[in-house]
Amino acid sequence: GAVVSQHPSWVICKSGTSVKIECRSLDFQATTMFWYRQFPKQSLMLMATSNEGSKATYEQGVEKDKFLINHASLTLSTLTVTSAHPEDSSFYICSATGTWDIQYFGAGTRLSVL
Amino acid sequence: GEDVEQSLFLSVREGDSSVINCTYTDSSSTYLYWYKQEPGAGLQLLTYIFSNMDMKQDQRLTVLLNKKDKHLSLRIADTQTGDSAIYFCAEAEQAGTALIFGKGTTLSVSS
Repeated sequence: GAVVSQHPSWVICKSGTSVKIECRSLDFQATTMFWYRQFPKQSLMLMATSNEGSKATYEQGVEKDKFLINHASLTLSTLTVTSAHPEDSSFYICSATGTWDIQYFGAGTRLSVL
Repeated sequence: GEDVEQSLFLSVREGDSSVINCTYTDSSSTYLYWYKQEPGAGLQLLTYIFSNMDMKQDQRLTVLLNKKDKHLSLRIADTQTGDSAIYFCAEAEQAGTALIFGKGTTLSVSS
């Protein structure tokens, strides 16, 4: 149990295009999901907290118009990187809060912007 | 702000025990976690401990928590080459809130 699926696992896109990343809790409902970003050989940095049915809460320094988050259901949150640029290339990981409020992570999405 | 510190590297021989240490600054941390990340993969929850516990053991894994010193450790008994990965310590002040991660400890296991 407590499986979080993230899709796609790897995406390459051209500069200026938008990319959507999905995060699904497969066997539990999650009112709260989190989006993290990880640079090579570095730790995870929280980008935003995604709440079902309401607006996401963004961390300081994260552009909400660039990183659009939608949490339309109790099992799905999406992160859309709009007008992607090479500096947005990174590893994006989502997590969902399950039983006992334990956070379970997706496998991550590697975004490469050319 | 809250901070989580870990040593960056640990190298052990197969069959030995590994001990990865972590310190945190937030005295109100309630939940403390250990995650494992293999190259190019997401984070796998290894174990967690609540602040009202001192120790938790789960098969080869033993977590020790010293709240006074704000020190958390993960011991892996009989370390195997498959244990080679990056281990992240993380803490949360409240249930269901975002985690604050350390920089990760790279564990290298040689045969």
